[in-house]
Parts: sequence; C-alpha cells; structure tokens
Amino acid sequence: QKEVEQNSGPLSVPEGAIASLNCTYSDRGSQSFFWYRQYSGKSPELIMFIYSNGDKEDGRFTAQLNKASQYVSLLIRDSQPSDSATYLCAVKGAYNQGGKLIFGQGTELSVKP
Amino acid sequence: SAVISQKPSRDICQRGTSLTIQCQVDSQVTMMFWYRQQPGQSLTLIATANQGSEATYESGFVIDKFPISRPNLTFSTLTVSNMSPEDSSIYLCSGGGGTDTQYFGPGTRLTVL
Repeated sequence: QKEVEQNSGPLSVPEGAIASLNCTYSDRGSQSFFWYRQYSGKSPELIMFIYSNGDKEDGRFTAQLNKASQYVSLLIRDSQPSDSATYLCAVKGAYNQGGKLIFGQGTELSVKP
Repeated sequence: SAVISQKPSRDICQRGTSLTIQCQVDSQVTMMFWYRQQPGQSLTLIATANQGSEATYESGFVIDKFPISRPNLTFSTLTVSNMSPEDSSIYLCSGGGGTDTQYFGPGTRLTVL
C-alpha cells in the first residue's frame, strides 16, 4: 500500500461546477496535510494546508480532514478553466520523521469551458 | 512565504559528467529538501539538507551519487554525479516556511545525453 494515495484521474468537470479531489494516507501518526497545484512545466504551488479535523476554507478552496478515516480532500467551488492542473496531496509524518513530505501521485483536473 | 530560486533552470549534460544545482531562499528556513520529478510522475524526496551536517538520504539515494551541501540557513547545493540518461529529470528544492509549510523553487530540468 502506498503511503499517500490519490486517484490519478483525469478528473473532468464543467466550468462552474465543484471539483472534489481525494487523498488517503497510511501513517496514522501524520500531523499535517497539504495541497499543491502544479501546472504543466511548472513547480508545485502551495494552495492549502490543514492540521485539524474538519473543514478549512480559503476563497474557492476548502480542505477537509478526517484523521479517523485517514482521509483528506480538496473541494474547488466554481471551477474555472484556469484551475486545470495536477493537484498533489502531501502528508507530513510524525514529529520524529524530520518534517519531510510524502506526496501522492497527483490528480489531473480538467475544467471544461 | 519563502521565495526560492534555483540555478541553472535547465541544462543538457554528457554522460559521466556532474552537475551542481544551487538553491537560494530569500529568508532563513529550518528545513531544506531536494526532490526529483520524472516526466509524468509525482515528487520523490532525495534527501533532507541539514545545515552544518551531512544530509539525510531517502532509500535508494546515496551520498556518492547525490552529494548535498548546506553551509547556512538560506543556501543548499545538490550535485548529480557521474550522470547517466536515467538521471534526466526535474530537480526541485524546497524550503520550510514559518508555518511549517514547504515552498518550492522553480526546478532544474536536466537532460543527460
């Protein structure tokens, strides 16, 4: 079992719809959870991070964390064609693991006009 | 957030040679990391660059192949030694921000002939 798993996609949604991106992780001691967006040919860009169970909203983005189910998701409301990118879920392990991030394989999102 | 620059942005190298990639952060950061991203793949952590001590390498990566320096809290280098075509990849450095988040440099695209 991979440490961090995401559906590779592609996930296709129409413009204006809600895009839902999901991620599961295997290390129950994981402390912090991050979503990065990566456009083709560019480096990853941090969108959201979440530490506590529940929802965290930032503009059109909402991160959801459920530690009991070892599940983290990213919702993008009112999706725009400019949101088309690969979204990477990253998990930071327990405090004794040196702060490194473990990345999922990424989900490719395509927003159709 | 931290702003990270990398040099060179891209290079084409001959088999058997070495290339040193530089990473500069605009502020002091506790943690710096080096990743590799092969075409169509997610990020794979090579090592954690520790200030003033030897880097901590992930499984599958060794110091002789990927020597790393970190002389201070804003700068690190990664050398790809004795290169082969299999080393062709994008190499990314990242630095830890004030909220324990990580920000990425623009990457170095390496092609080995």
